[in-house]
Amino acid sequence: NAGVTQTPKFRVLKTGQSMTLLCAQDMNHEYMYWYRQDPGMGLRLIHYSVGEGTTAKGEVPDGYNVSRLKKQNFLLGLESAAPSQTSVYFCASSYRKGAGVGQETQYFGPGTRLLVL
Amino acid sequence: AQSVTQPDIHITVSEGASLELRCNYSYGATPYLFWYVQSPGQGLQLLLKYFSGDTLVQGIKGFEAEFKRSQSSFNLRKPSVHWSDAAEYFCAVGAYYGGSQGNLIFGKGTKLSVKP
Repeated sequence: NAGVTQTPKFRVLKTGQSMTLLCAQDMNHEYMYWYRQDPGMGLRLIHYSVGEGTTAKGEVPDGYNVSRLKKQNFLLGLESAAPSQTSVYFCASSYRKGAGVGQETQYFGPGTRLLVL
Repeated sequence: AQSVTQPDIHITVSEGASLELRCNYSYGATPYLFWYVQSPGQGLQLLLKYFSGDTLVQGIKGFEAEFKRSQSSFNLRKPSVHWSDAAEYFCAVGAYYGGSQGNLIFGKGTKLSVKP
């Protein structure tokens, strides 16, 4: 049981390049999330998914796209990277409980450190 | 709007001393509250959570937190800090986001340093 894993661990991009971050979970969780963490800002939600085939925007979705083709995977894409997207990206997943009103404990991956030059 | 405030950006305590990290939230209904810890270069690990019932909750690693509705607070405490507790601590509230789904709103974190 690996929990939540993220690939890659670290990446350097040039402005305008594209890339995809992969998140995988083996806990059969319904919900999955992508956050970015910047110094002094805490974690901010980029996009999330409440089930296979569904995605929704979070607090800071601009410049990112996501897909949830399989229940266990949640992909975060940057189509044209910008220096402002330099950050540490965390994926998380959680069970669905009842109405899902923020009750769920989220389990986090180890993070992907992205540098955009 | 829901929000979480952690007033202390950085706290330094001596090993063996007691610790209290402050967290205040803004939320219209009964909140679901969490404390996470992040060691350097690592992801976030859940320390404890409050959903309902007893307002004093126990967590892992000897941490506890007390929910005080009148003060909109959920402060984290530990009676005796160990050097391995040096990390960044995040308070979060589970709340509606986007009108229908629950998500976590995080505070900006408190970095804890431990002096030998």
